[in-house]
Amino acid sequence: DAGITQSPRHKVTETGTPVTLRCHQTENHRYMYWYRQDPGHGLRLIHYSYGVKDTDKGEVSDGYSVSRSKTEDFLLTLESATSSQTSVYFCAIGRGNTIYFGEGSWLTVV
Amino acid sequence: AQKVTQAQTEISVVEKEDVTLDCVYETRDTTYYLFWYKQPPSGELVFLIRRNSFDEQNEISGRYSWNFQKSTSSFNFTITASQVVDSAVYFCALSRFNKFYFGSGTKLNVKP
Repeated sequence: DAGITQSPRHKVTETGTPVTLRCHQTENHRYMYWYRQDPGHGLRLIHYSYGVKDTDKGEVSDGYSVSRSKTEDFLLTLESATSSQTSVYFCAIGRGNTIYFGEGSWLTVV
Repeated sequence: AQKVTQAQTEISVVEKEDVTLDCVYETRDTTYYLFWYKQPPSGELVFLIRRNSFDEQNEISGRYSWNFQKSTSSFNFTITASQVVDSAVYFCALSRFNKFYFGSGTKLNVKP
């Protein structure tokens, strides 16, 4: 158990609405990540953080923003959700040169 | 740039068959890590193994074995005597400077 909690686990939202996904860790790890998983694409990095207020973009960051005001929380925001952002979102923490994942958040944009 | 390729999209085998999942990676770095993860039908992502670029020793863990060959930039995963519980999507990954790059995954179907 990597001590990662994602919320919400499932959400249906309408196109154009803002959505925030939360990732909470209990172990005080420096590195946190947000990935999305889509059929045929595997896991693609959206954003990652290497400390409080230190974040950087991944390969599919357009349309997403993140914030990390506390070590334990890493928030992913879709400012204006689109149908192309329907996906499974995984948060992860880096520990000992390895990445461990949360249980995933299923987001459907209708 | 880092890239991980899993050319096998889906593989189906019958229980007790051996199966090898291929992983080819690209990197210009000499220091990196390679990984395999399992995603069973329940959806969670489970870490299986990590190798660093300086350790080319093959590893065996029960029915699982991994073959790392720098000469061919490959890190293949073999399941011996497959079981239905091995049915899952398997991801290969590479990391450098705490950034992780994943392949598109191979779906393994093990039929009874």
